[in-house]
Amino acid sequence: GENVEQHPSTLSVQEGDSAVIKCTYSDSASNYFPWYKQELGKRPQLIIDIRSNVGEKKDQRIAVTLNKTAKHFSLHITETQPEDSAVYFCAASNGQAGTALIFGKGTTLSVSS
Amino acid sequence: GAVVSQHPSWVICKSGTSVKIECRSLDFQATTMFWYRQFPKQSLMLMATSNEGSKATYEQGVEKDKFLINHASLTLSTLTVTSAHPEDSSFYICSAKTAGGLYEQYFGPGTRLTVT
Repeated sequence: GENVEQHPSTLSVQEGDSAVIKCTYSDSASNYFPWYKQELGKRPQLIIDIRSNVGEKKDQRIAVTLNKTAKHFSLHITETQPEDSAVYFCAASNGQAGTALIFGKGTTLSVSS
Repeated sequence: GAVVSQHPSWVICKSGTSVKIECRSLDFQATTMFWYRQFPKQSLMLMATSNEGSKATYEQGVEKDKFLINHASLTLSTLTVTSAHPEDSSFYICSAKTAGGLYEQYFGPGTRLTVT
């Protein structure tokens, strides 16, 4: 089955700096790679996703890149703000109807002002 | 659109008792629902995949006789934790894909279970 590795487990940045979180996956059949932000006690919220037919996707301060050959994808947050502080999870799936997302272990991002 | 609800949002039960958690898709039909468990400061771990009208598929290491899953309709899946013990205390989150949906999963708000 799929295995998703995520690094780093914690990340501290100054407000305005960029933050990068990296994930690798094991199943070459995976073709959908979402990123979630989770606040304590709440459901994970989708912030951006990418499918394997594209290499990069951007939405304002957030971007995701995908390298299918190397089986890794990354989340980039620019101009970080204190409200970006949360736990971020990457995930992967093969896009079939009955297949669940498999999550990485998460990264706790702290943005200090 | 694509809203998933869970009930209850939190529950406290005594050791040895059973507790049922409901997961509903409010504005779409979900042929497949998924149940995850999340311990404090850990990731979401897939417990089982629930298919409407058939038996659930459990991940390795998840006791199917302890975590009973029923998906009796296209909008409702239930998870029953039987003979709960303190180590079952966790945050249980369900998610669903829309009928014909391949990619995005829609997550419920989660249920905090505390077993005393």
